[in-house]
Amino acid sequence: EIVLTQSPGTLSLSPGERATLSCRASQSVSSSYLAWYQQKPGQAPRLLIYGASSRATGIPDRFSGSGSGTDFILTISRLEPEDFAVYYCQQYGSSPPKFIFGPGTKVDIK
Amino acid sequence: QVTLRESGPALVKPTQTLTLTCTFSGFSLSTSGTCVSWIRQPPGKALEWLAFIDWDDEKYNSTSLKTRLTISKDTSKNQVVLKMTNMDPVDTATYYCARCRYGDFLYFDYWGQGTLVTVSS
Repeated sequence: EIVLTQSPGTLSLSPGERATLSCRASQSVSSSYLAWYQQKPGQAPRLLIYGASSRATGIPDRFSGSGSGTDFILTISRLEPEDFAVYYCQQYGSSPPKFIFGPGTKVDIK
Repeated sequence: QVTLRESGPALVKPTQTLTLTCTFSGFSLSTSGTCVSWIRQPPGKALEWLAFIDWDDEKYNSTSLKTRLTISKDTSKNQVVLKMTNMDPVDTATYYCARCRYGDFLYFDYWGQGTLVTVSS
């Protein structure tokens, strides 16, 4: 069974800095089915990236995704105050069909 | 405009069956490539996928909760219903429904605001 690991668990940065979040799968996964979500306290998750690197509608271009195989990266080029949140990666596997979420990375203000 | 809204009891007793309804608008669950999933989040913890149903009535459940979950849809009412049997305090969580789209990609693009379910006697 595929397991997603996210690192670091918490990332403490200042506004304007660059954030690099990692999502590692226990075995190779399809990039087409790798997505990233942002969640703020008391809110539902919001889709940021799908297909490992495609930005969802309305997502600012400071958010970018990359990677393939077992290693995926979400980059926030310059942190804005509204970007401090928890970020989850998610993968869909077909054997058996299931969706898997990583444990999340919290980006907080340094 | 796509919206989803979860509804159901805020409090259930241990061993009871939880029934949650996701009422949506702005899309049809009879459209090819469209699906709805249920996802939950215990307080302070990560997201956990529970169940999935698509336009073709394909259904998948979490393997760890498989025997406890039933998902169904009423396309005419734009609703998806999740039943979870034998509720336990560890099932206390915010339960979300989310629309998914698949074809070349698969992702959850619209989410409800979630409903908090507490399991306690």
